[in-house]
Amino acid sequence: KNEVEQSPQNLTAQEGEFITINCSYSVGISALHWLQQHPGGGIVSLFMLSSGKKKHGRLIATINIQEKHSSLHITASHPRDSAVYICAGDSGNTPLVFGKGTRLSVIA
Amino acid sequence: NAGVTQTPKFRVLKTGQSMTLLCAQDMNHEYMYWYRQDPGMGLRLIHYSVGEGTTAKGEVPDGYNVSRLKKQNFLLGLESAAPSQTSVYFCASSYLGVDTQYFGPGTRLTVL
Repeated sequence: KNEVEQSPQNLTAQEGEFITINCSYSVGISALHWLQQHPGGGIVSLFMLSSGKKKHGRLIATINIQEKHSSLHITASHPRDSAVYICAGDSGNTPLVFGKGTRLSVIA
Repeated sequence: NAGVTQTPKFRVLKTGQSMTLLCAQDMNHEYMYWYRQDPGMGLRLIHYSVGEGTTAKGEVPDGYNVSRLKKQNFLLGLESAAPSQTSVYFCASSYLGVDTQYFGPGTRLTVL
């Protein structure tokens, strides 16, 4: 069974800090999605990656296929980054397998 | 483009009542999904569709039915609502199977 584990569950940071959220996944998953859920509930897809690294603004996502591990980094964090970040494993043949999310709070 | 829209945004039902949630997308996406989100559980897939006229079961399909008569619409039905179906329901769509998913704003359903 495909599985995805996220850490930490909760994270509090001071504004400006560099943030890392981790995601480990099981054999069979070939791509990783990172999603952001705003405090109001809306869900936005941030990245989908199957190798290497992707960057969008202050957000960077990396994936290590050999170690079955992905990280989401936020540089120069800001209170507006406060949200729940969710990783999801994609095996290609079956629907996404979601982690339980990391709740991030960035304090000014 | 409106993206993915969901109707209604909120609903309160009594046990045993029925209702239909509507999801619509204007991006010509083939794949559509219905998820539920409960505290501490993360997103769980209820049903999905890989194209017009097709549906398939996800992780938690019991108590729900779906239909995809038109490519742009994906309906989720509750025939006899139960308190265990109190949740936030999200619809999503994607062009391909292994692809970015676009989510609707969610429907908060309470079953008393």
